[in-house]
Amino acid sequence: IAGITQAPTSQILAAGRRMTLRCTQDMRHNAMYWYRQDLGLGLRLIHYSNTAGTTGKGEVPDGYSVSRANTDDFPLTLASAVPSQTSVYFCASSESGGSGANVLTFGAGSRLTVL
Amino acid sequence: GESVGLHLPTLSVQEGDNSIINCAYSNSASDYFIWYKQESGKGPQFIIDIRSNMDKRQGQRVTVLLNKTVKHLSLQIAATQPGDSAVYFCAENMDSNYQLIWGAGTKLIIKP
Repeated sequence: IAGITQAPTSQILAAGRRMTLRCTQDMRHNAMYWYRQDLGLGLRLIHYSNTAGTTGKGEVPDGYSVSRANTDDFPLTLASAVPSQTSVYFCASSESGGSGANVLTFGAGSRLTVL
Repeated sequence: GESVGLHLPTLSVQEGDNSIINCAYSNSASDYFIWYKQESGKGPQFIIDIRSNMDKRQGQRVTVLLNKTVKHLSLQIAATQPGDSAVYFCAENMDSNYQLIWGAGTKLIIKP
């Protein structure tokens, strides 16, 4: 089934540890995104990538890094996790970023708890 | 900064009735609006979208209305079913901007 695969589904992590959330899409979409979702705050964009080899900062990029070595994969890394990064993380993709129709396809999410 | 907001955080509707979920936006430069549905434990799922040059767009059991004069967007769901229970998000996208601006969401509850 075409779509986005995120891993892990859930993770409990000690503060200060490094963590990478994986995201893979098989739709050959050019653009990919990482959002975090916190109750009452909706979805907030962390980082995005318009096409393989390029990345950009979203609304809340601090403490996170991404890479886009190829079209399919867009991992999100927390270099040194802090409790405020406890959240549900969603990876998404779209055929292209930018103007016009920008329908996003989302993964099922990764629930991260930082203690 | 610009923001997209919802009028009601929770909406309770009788099964079979029509549901109307409202959204206010503040950026008149936004040219594209989208509604997503998020069921519990899942990622958001695209429902319907509308460009700023349109006032209305219909899908299967859903209609989106755009009133640019008062910067208001609404999602109408006809004959609401138990499977419509979810949180509904509106989002706006300004031209040449890769970022969607999301509302906080409205939880739709279906009463049997």
